[in-house]
Amino acid sequence: RKEVEQDPGPFNVPEGATVAFNCTYSNSASQSFFWYRQDCRKEPKLLMSVYSSGNEDGRFTAQLNRASQYISLLIRDSKLSDSATYLCVVSLDRGSTLGRLYFGRGTQLTVWP
Amino acid sequence: NAGVTQTPKFQVLKTGQSMTLQCAQDMNHEYMSWYRQDPGMGLRLIHYSVGAGITDQGEVPNGYNVSRSTTEDFPLRLLSAAPSQTSVYFCASRLQGATNEKLFFGSGTQLSVL
Repeated sequence: RKEVEQDPGPFNVPEGATVAFNCTYSNSASQSFFWYRQDCRKEPKLLMSVYSSGNEDGRFTAQLNRASQYISLLIRDSKLSDSATYLCVVSLDRGSTLGRLYFGRGTQLTVWP
Repeated sequence: NAGVTQTPKFQVLKTGQSMTLQCAQDMNHEYMSWYRQDPGMGLRLIHYSVGAGITDQGEVPNGYNVSRSTTEDFPLRLLSAAPSQTSVYFCASRLQGATNEKLFFGSGTQLSVL
């Protein structure tokens, strides 16, 4: 069983739509959670960290549900520039020396005009 | 600040050849790692290091060697390339000791083994 599972999509939505991605993780000892964005043939870049209380950054909202072991990302008012693959990332370590991160396969989003 | 620099960007090898993928960072990051990314598989950890002189295996270490003689450099060696090692390779680094610390990626190396 993979450490991190994501629906690969693709999600195809019109501009202005709201879209949500979910991700589940298998290890209940996981401590740190992230969403990364990857454009085609480019390196992944941090979109946002995910905190227990949930956090928002402009049109993006991330939520963590430890009881059900899932993480979500909500994108409101989608823009063409949001088209990318979104990677769910989980770490077992809270800043310790081990530092292993596990990546989901990614969810592909295409926003059309 | 150059960030994380990976070379080469593209490489074609014949089966059995050896080569080294270079990775350097100028941010004084303790943690460095190598991932490979294959279609439908996501990023998989090959090897990682939490400081000079310390390395450890990730999920898919077979066929790869690493060393960490300095904080800045973390080369990945393919001793005898196989077609199964055709992939995109990313080097990444981050600081240790902080919650939710951001991972910085290099721009990737597209490797093809014929």
